[in-house]
Amino acid sequence: DVKVTQSSRYLVKRTGEKVFLECVQDMDHENMFWYRQDPGLGLRLIYFSYDVKMKEKGDIPEGYSVSREKKERFSLILESASTNQTSMYLCASSSLGGQGAYGGETQYFGPGTRLLVL
Amino acid sequence: DAKTTQPTSMDCAEGRAANLPCNHSTISGNEYVYWYRQIHSQGPQYIIHGLKNNETNEMASLIITEDRKSSTLILPHATLRDTAVYYCISAYSSASKIIFGSGTRLSIRP
Repeated sequence: DVKVTQSSRYLVKRTGEKVFLECVQDMDHENMFWYRQDPGLGLRLIYFSYDVKMKEKGDIPEGYSVSREKKERFSLILESASTNQTSMYLCASSSLGGQGAYGGETQYFGPGTRLLVL
Repeated sequence: DAKTTQPTSMDCAEGRAANLPCNHSTISGNEYVYWYRQIHSQGPQYIIHGLKNNETNEMASLIITEDRKSSTLILPHATLRDTAVYYCISAYSSASKIIFGSGTRLSIRP
């Protein structure tokens, strides 16, 4: 079974702190993703990565950065945490996808990190 | 990726089949229909996906209409542990960016 793990289930930080959220997958997946989930807003994509050292902005990258130094690990960084970054953060991974007949790949999600910024 | 519409909430008696509908009237020819679910305070979990034919796995069955404009996820014998938000997504592949809508909140009655 695919396993995606996240470093913490719950995290409490203070405004202005630098926050690192770590995600590790054990299936040699090329793609990794960071989402945040807020009530009434669903899942929103922050950043994703198709390969080591590659990153692409998602829909809401402001206030976040990412790092992918190794294939299995994708880190989300809050440079200076703010209260509006209080949220559930979800990491996901998937194998390399394509269109047409080869479509149908799936994303596998970690358990989530619930971050509270005071 | 095409947009999908689902009922906001549904309920089902424990032990009965839960049938969750989804409309995807603008789906294009090579887009798949995916279903995920999210149990409270956990990450989304993949359930099943299909292109044209009906699909079945150990978790559920997926029935796709012939015109592919709608589909139904069937949980054959719902249990309390199936209480979750169910998301229907249409996409070429969910390996890359996918858009989760609001989903259907399924409640299972004892």
